[in-house]
Amino acid sequence: DTAVSQTPKYLVTQMGNDKSIKCEQNLGHDTMYWYKQDSKKFLKIMFSYNNKELIINETVPNRFSPKSPDKAHLNLHINSLELGDSAVYFCASTSRGRETQYFGPGTRLLVL
Amino acid sequence: AQSVTQPDIHITVSEGASLELRCNYSYGATPYLFWYVQSPGQGLQLLLKYFSGDTLVQGIKGFEAEFKRSQSSFNLRKPSVHWSDAAEYFCAVAAGGSGNTGKLIFGQGTTLQVKP
Repeated sequence: DTAVSQTPKYLVTQMGNDKSIKCEQNLGHDTMYWYKQDSKKFLKIMFSYNNKELIINETVPNRFSPKSPDKAHLNLHINSLELGDSAVYFCASTSRGRETQYFGPGTRLLVL
Repeated sequence: AQSVTQPDIHITVSEGASLELRCNYSYGATPYLFWYVQSPGQGLQLLLKYFSGDTLVQGIKGFEAEFKRSQSSFNLRKPSVHWSDAAEYFCAVAAGGSGNTGKLIFGQGTTLQVKP
């Protein structure tokens, strides 16, 4: 009965590789988000999709590309990974009023 | 621009003691305010939120927070801390009303350590 799930939980990879992180929510929400938490635990929004439409696109390198195949899924693809991409990436979702976000468990990405 | 400041990076309290975590926000209109908790290696869990109405809000795990518009603050309190409360606490703000995209602006976080 997991509400917001992310796969994988841990991801260790080499610089220059391309990787994807998947997020799924079974709450019936129509808006989903990606946040990045850096090594100092600072959380910053990256993207948001509403009904498969991009509504928030912060200043993020274009190596990061979100994709939303349907309302319940929001994936994050990262090209040409760099050391600075090492972080914890959180997915979140919210309903129509966008008042309360529910977060996934996070994906811990380590780029070597 | 919206911003959130949590002045205390690290706080240590004894088990059973009271707790107050400070949060100050900067936002021109009506904000939505949140407190989230993150246990080590875990995701974020919502403790409580304020949208409107009564400025003292109750949350889970015995936490409460008070919205003070005049001070642009939303401080989190608990009368008696338990060892299991040791975690990272984040205050966040979002645009309220029709301007709400759901974009959360987080503070830097406060690490709570609980002494036995």
